[in-house]
Amino acid sequence: GQNIDQPTEMTATEGAIVQINCTYQTSGFNGLFWYQQHAGEAPTFLSYNVLDGLEEKGRFSSFLSRSKGYSYLLLKELQMKDSASYLCAVWGATNKLIFGTGTLLAVQP
Amino acid sequence: GAGVSQTPSNKVTEKGKYVELRCDPISGHTALYWYRQSLGQGPEFLIYFQGTGAADDSGLPNDRFFAVRPEGSVSTLKIQRTERGDSAVYLCASSLRGVDTQYFGPGTRLTVL
Repeated sequence: GQNIDQPTEMTATEGAIVQINCTYQTSGFNGLFWYQQHAGEAPTFLSYNVLDGLEEKGRFSSFLSRSKGYSYLLLKELQMKDSASYLCAVWGATNKLIFGTGTLLAVQP
Repeated sequence: GAGVSQTPSNKVTEKGKYVELRCDPISGHTALYWYRQSLGQGPEFLIYFQGTGAADDSGLPNDRFFAVRPEGSVSTLKIQRTERGDSAVYLCASSLRGVDTQYFGPGTRLTVL
């Protein structure tokens, strides 16, 4: 079967750093995506990892370990506008993304 | 350039009615995807088009759901004999070739009364 796990909710403080974890078990692996989704809006692309290691893009970084079936999204210098749901999605053996349920991040002043 | 657009943004219908949801992908994108998202869940794959053909329709829940993309651009998702359980946000996404980043539209919120 295919399974993607991520925490349901997280809370963090403005200006701090937060790490959102994602573990996956899928049939095949062709890459892992992170999307941000504000309430009532479409998911927007944040990052794509296909090789092991850390990809940094401004305040956001994403890490992948294929051997462990594990990824995390790191958000630095948190801002109030970062309050959103963060979706982990895996590209498996077929041409479709399998999404986790999302992690709802609340950034508090 | 313009992103993925979807119409209508909201659709309220009665149980048993037929609905059509439209998706306009990013110009030049050959791959188009439909997803369904319920509250508190991630998007759930429904169907994938490469060009005009449905390359993978394994996510369609039953034969009441059907989608077309006759000219390889605009796609329509069709739902017959709607049921209350069909209520969700229907998202469309497109990508340049297929095995690359998907860009999502704003979605159509379908409510079946």
